[in-house]
Amino acid sequence: GAGVSQTPSNKVTEKGKYVELRCDPISGHTALYWYRQSLGQGPEFLIYFQGTGAADDSGLPNDRFFAVRPEGSVSTLKIQRTERGDSAVYLCASSWGGGLYNEQFFGPGTRLTVL
Amino acid sequence: AQSVSQHNHHVILSEAASLELGCNYSYGGTVNLFWYVQYPGQHLQLLLKYFSGDPLVKGIKGFEAEFIKSKFSFNLRKPSVQWSDTAEYFCAVTSNNNDMRFGAGTRLTVKP
Repeated sequence: GAGVSQTPSNKVTEKGKYVELRCDPISGHTALYWYRQSLGQGPEFLIYFQGTGAADDSGLPNDRFFAVRPEGSVSTLKIQRTERGDSAVYLCASSWGGGLYNEQFFGPGTRLTVL
Repeated sequence: AQSVSQHNHHVILSEAASLELGCNYSYGGTVNLFWYVQYPGQHLQLLLKYFSGDPLVKGIKGFEAEFIKSKFSFNLRKPSVQWSDTAEYFCAVTSNNNDMRFGAGTRLTVKP
């Protein structure tokens, strides 16, 4: 079946603008994760959804970042008043269930560039 | 603080050389350990994982890793690398919470 998909693959925006990044998880996966990967670094956890609810949003850097998953499938990561430091690759992953014994399947990422 | 450390930032090997990439973590309690690989232009893919049982784990493409609890380590090995193994390798850990923590990654370049 299809893997995790993310759109757009690239997004260039200006400082101060609002952006939305979309993630389509693997069908049937209840858990969904967002990560941010800066150049030369490993992915950094942002938020984890179990179904429709955010089970852990401790990785969101500040209140400019917000994510939703209203129907328990597709998720949107929203960034308000973007800053140049937000430039990174935003990765989405999904798994059958959350918790300790999950294997996460990653999407190709969205490369965000804030000018 | 919980963390995952990968000691080598960039490793350069010739084909057929043996590979060992280091990974250490600092977590208390039960951990699950993973190695992911990212080939140029592709997304992260799981190489292997350790949940419990035999601490020597075999993954895809001839890779293996050994969990040494006393050393908090999960090093990745391959006896003979190929040019196609050129990629970035990430060690990751999950523990009592639901987030996965990654190391900074090791870039492997294999010269033909």
